[in-house]
Amino acid sequence: EADIYQTPRYLVIGTGKKITLECSQTMGHDKMYWYQQDPGMELHLIHYSYGVNSTEKGDLSSESTVSRIRTEHFPLTLESARPSHTSQYLCASRDNKVAPASTDTQYFGPGTRLTVL
Amino acid sequence: KNQVEQSPQSLIILEGKNCTLQCNYTVSPFSNLRWYKQDTGRGPVSLTIMTFSENTKSNGRYTATLDADTKQSSLHITASQLSDSASYICVVSDRGSTLGRLYFGRGTQLTVWP
Repeated sequence: EADIYQTPRYLVIGTGKKITLECSQTMGHDKMYWYQQDPGMELHLIHYSYGVNSTEKGDLSSESTVSRIRTEHFPLTLESARPSHTSQYLCASRDNKVAPASTDTQYFGPGTRLTVL
Repeated sequence: KNQVEQSPQSLIILEGKNCTLQCNYTVSPFSNLRWYKQDTGRGPVSLTIMTFSENTKSNGRYTATLDADTKQSSLHITASQLSDSASYICVVSDRGSTLGRLYFGRGTQLTVWP
């Protein structure tokens, strides 16, 4: 069982609000990821981090931003939410082992279901 | 273009029956392939992982196979249970990526009826 947590689990907000989705893990993993997933669709990588003070944009363009001030914490922020941001947001982390010891397995949090009205 | 295609898109079976889910990929260079189970409203959980040299991997009632030559994988579920109802996602990792870049399929939505 992965020790990775996301809050809130569900969020319904109005357009224009600023929101922060929280993600934390207690496994000491350096690599962390944010994915966006629409119903019936594949996960799309929107942000990732190799470690503290390291953040990069992923494959899917996103208006969100992330920060990595502490190893265990990787919050995602939307400055001004819009209905197009309605989606499920999944946070994940990966162990620090290098190949061949690493399995590349990413451990996922339970997700945040965001609805912007 | 690196892609992962899964079939069928959805599947309904009766409790106790077996089923097989398919995954085709074009990811290159290939590192490993995983099957994840995602319950509704939850994050994916890893079921199996196979590297290039592995042909089959079991995890309880789940058995995954891999044919690296044809770039195909399957997930066989034996004696299905109601709790098997979920989306099953095929995920392929490319070799040599320090990011650990993963390519996700859209999943097969499995429903098990009593």
